[in-house]
Amino acid sequence: NAGVTQTPKFRVLKTGQSMTLLCAQDMNHEYMYWYRQDPGMGLRLIHYSVGEGTTAKGEVPDGYNVSRLKKQNFLLGLESAAPSQTSVYFCASSILRGSEGQPQHFGDGTRLSIL
Amino acid sequence: KNEVEQSPQNLTAQEGEFITINCSYSVGISALHWLQQHPGGGIVSLFMLSSGKKKHGRLIATINIQEKHSSLHITASHPRDSAVYICAAPYNTDKLIFGTGTRLQVFP
Repeated sequence: NAGVTQTPKFRVLKTGQSMTLLCAQDMNHEYMYWYRQDPGMGLRLIHYSVGEGTTAKGEVPDGYNVSRLKKQNFLLGLESAAPSQTSVYFCASSILRGSEGQPQHFGDGTRLSIL
Repeated sequence: KNEVEQSPQNLTAQEGEFITINCSYSVGISALHWLQQHPGGGIVSLFMLSSGKKKHGRLIATINIQEKHSSLHITASHPRDSAVYICAAPYNTDKLIFGTGTRLQVFP
């Protein structure tokens, strides 16, 4: 019963390097989200998807790209990492949209440091 | 301006104390979420409520839609309740906006 799985759990990058964070869910959820969590701030939405093949921008999308080629996977890419992208990244999924009062299920997070 | 405000930011308590964490929001909502972030970082959903009160074990969540205010209560607090408690409100149908969290430490 895995739920939402994020890989990797930790990563250190140099400025300018690229990487992809993978989120996989086994609950057949339509909605998937990528958030970043920074000290003193609430979780902020980067990008989200309302179904396979769809993506949409959230609150802080600049410097990130996403893809949802398969319903169970939601990938977050950093094309050219910057120190400002040092953060903890969380993926979440839900069966219905947030306004309909369904819970979001979170992964354990990826701690990313950009040097 | 954060549309979801939590208070207090930090809270310490002795084991057994009654805890109250408050959440005020300025957006119109259909359901408010309470979440718990463990010291190890994992986040779990505790409650979603759109009216009245919900109870799960020693946790009780209440909401007043007219006043746009919700509270999370913990009865007979225990050190294992130490965590960050986060409230979140839906907006624009698909998304949640999160408060900055209340860090609770319960000492034996």
